[in-house]
Amino acid sequence: DLVVTQTPLSLSVTPGQSASISCKSSASLLHSDGRTYLYWYVVKPGQSPQLLIYELSKRFTGVPDRFSGSGSGTDFTLKISRVEAEDVGVYYCMQSIKLPPTFGPGTKVDIK
Amino acid sequence: QVHLVESGGGLVKPGGSLRLSCAASGFTFSDYFMSWIRQAPGKGLEWISYISSDGDTISYAASVKGRFTISRDNAKNSLYLQMNNLRAEDTAVYYCGGYYWGQGTLVAVSS
Repeated sequence: DLVVTQTPLSLSVTPGQSASISCKSSASLLHSDGRTYLYWYVVKPGQSPQLLIYELSKRFTGVPDRFSGSGSGTDFTLKISRVEAEDVGVYYCMQSIKLPPTFGPGTKVDIK
Repeated sequence: QVHLVESGGGLVKPGGSLRLSCAASGFTFSDYFMSWIRQAPGKGLEWISYISSDGDTISYAASVKGRFTISRDNAKNSLYLQMNNLRAEDTAVYYCGGYYWGQGTLVAVSS
């Protein structure tokens, strides 16, 4: 299976500041169709997983533009600009270029 | 508005079986792939099974392959997960979805 790793595993952020999470895959997530099959999810306390970013950098419906995804090949970044208290949760990247899809271990984000 | 509702979870003894169901509404179910993922207590997300929109392509995580069976009924807008030979390590909240996810159903495997 394709392995996905994340760093850091935890992050404490001051409200209004930015936060970045790195995600690396063991193989390129760039498909021959030109799409990069990298997704970002968040699990907020007591809630179901929510999709934030799909296909590398496309924000899902209703996701604030404070969230942005970037990267290429095997290295990716989720950036949260102007962090708010509601952004607390565990953030996961996931690849789906190869079945089975695999999640990273998660990055826990809390507020200082 | 997309709505996904899982059901069928509960407490089961090791070696037992459960069938999870997922009722979908608010979108054209037959147009989309669907998956089951789970989250064990204090652990991260684990993807466990995928089924294509027409049901022709199916995939399982190694941890459940041979024990779990995913299926769908597009006429009923429903997704299923038959879970056999359950183990303690299958204890988790199970979610159905793809882009959106349901509220989850808890499966607890214990003697």
